[in-house]
Amino acid sequence: GQNIDQPTEMTATEGAIVQINCTYQTSGFNGLFWYQQHAGEAPTFLSYNVLDGLEEKGRFSSFLSRSKGYSYLLLKELQMKDSASYLCAASPPNTNAGKSTFGDGTTLTVKP
Amino acid sequence: KAGVTQTPRYLIKTRGQQVTLSCSPISGHRSVSWYQQTPGQGLQFLFEYFSETQRNKGNFPGRFSGRQFSNSRSEMNVSTLELGDSALYLCASSFGDSNQPQHFGDGTRLSIL
Repeated sequence: GQNIDQPTEMTATEGAIVQINCTYQTSGFNGLFWYQQHAGEAPTFLSYNVLDGLEEKGRFSSFLSRSKGYSYLLLKELQMKDSASYLCAASPPNTNAGKSTFGDGTTLTVKP
Repeated sequence: KAGVTQTPRYLIKTRGQQVTLSCSPISGHRSVSWYQQTPGQGLQFLFEYFSETQRNKGNFPGRFSGRQFSNSRSEMNVSTLELGDSALYLCASSFGDSNQPQHFGDGTRLSIL
């Protein structure tokens, strides 16, 4: 099975940098997704890591270390609109596509 | 292109009733997954359909069932509703490869009285 752990809540200041960690234990694993979910809205895709290392996409970057069972989402130049829940999800081997296992999400609050 | 559409957006039912939720995926997507989201349990996987066949199933009781039609639209049915079934039900579609992200609908907010 897959267990995914993320901090429940984080608070940061507008303009700052924040790192949201995700650790996982999985018996079968393909890649690691990050999604953003604003209150009352659907989750939206942010990034996907298959290989170890850092993937940068504008203000958002995501990192994966398979050997350590660890990922993080890095948000730079925080804006108020970045206040949301950030979900880490492990995608299983291809035969089980569509069955991502989600962490409970990290609620990020950005303060002025 | 149009996103994932879920209907209805809100639903109020009483215990013992049954309910059917609908999901229209993004055009070209053959995989539709259903999730239950609650404040205490996060996103819990219900099941996934691919080309009209249930390909994966989560750990929910048999009261939760679903199906997929030839146009990839999917329905989820919950029978004998319980208070604990109150949740946001999200549907997500994708091409079906585990490397492809899932695209979520806005969900159906189900309240059981």
